[in-house]
Amino acid sequence: GENVEQHPSTLSVQEGDSAVIKCTYSDSASNYFPWYKQELGKRPQLIIDIRSNVGEKKDQRIAVTLNKTAKHFSLHITETQPEDSAVYFCAAPLTGGGNKLTFGTGTQLKVEL
Amino acid sequence: NAGVTQTPKFQVLKTGQSMTLQCAQDMNHEYMSWYRQDPGMGLRLIHYSVGAGITDQGEVPNGYNVSRSTTEDFPLRLLSAAPSQTSVYFCASSYRHQGGSGTEAFFGQGTRLTVV
Repeated sequence: GENVEQHPSTLSVQEGDSAVIKCTYSDSASNYFPWYKQELGKRPQLIIDIRSNVGEKKDQRIAVTLNKTAKHFSLHITETQPEDSAVYFCAAPLTGGGNKLTFGTGTQLKVEL
Repeated sequence: NAGVTQTPKFQVLKTGQSMTLQCAQDMNHEYMSWYRQDPGMGLRLIHYSVGAGITDQGEVPNGYNVSRSTTEDFPLRLLSAAPSQTSVYFCASSYRHQGGSGTEAFFGQGTRLTVV
């Protein structure tokens, strides 16, 4: 089955700076890579996802890039704001495609004023 | 739409007790999943269902049972609670992608379970 590794485990940036979180995966058949944000005490919520037929996707200050050759995908947050402080999780299909997901261990992002 | 609703929000069990965590969704999603979340370990898939009557094991299925008799409901049963099952449990639902790829998982608010 798929194995997803996420780095770093903690990330501290100054407000306005950019933040980058990287995940690597092992199964070349994986075709869907979502990113979830979880605020303290809340449920995870999808912030952006990418399918394997594209290399990059943007949504305002958030972008995800996918490198299928190297088997890694990254979350980029620009112009960070205090409300971006949360735990971010990457995920990939546990086996091949579909919605049966395995998650990375999470990155605690802190945006400092 | 209420989305995904989990009950209870909090539960304390004694070792050896059994209980059922309830999960219901009103979005007519085909897929439903149960995850547990432990500090430093992210979310780990317990069980999964692609439709009524069909379930599959995830990464950490031991000690848990599921069934899916309707599209809406996907209860998780703890057979004999152990302290290692102390965790936050999340139910999620998602729809089927036409091309077989993944789609957004909508999570319930979670159940915080403590086994003493």
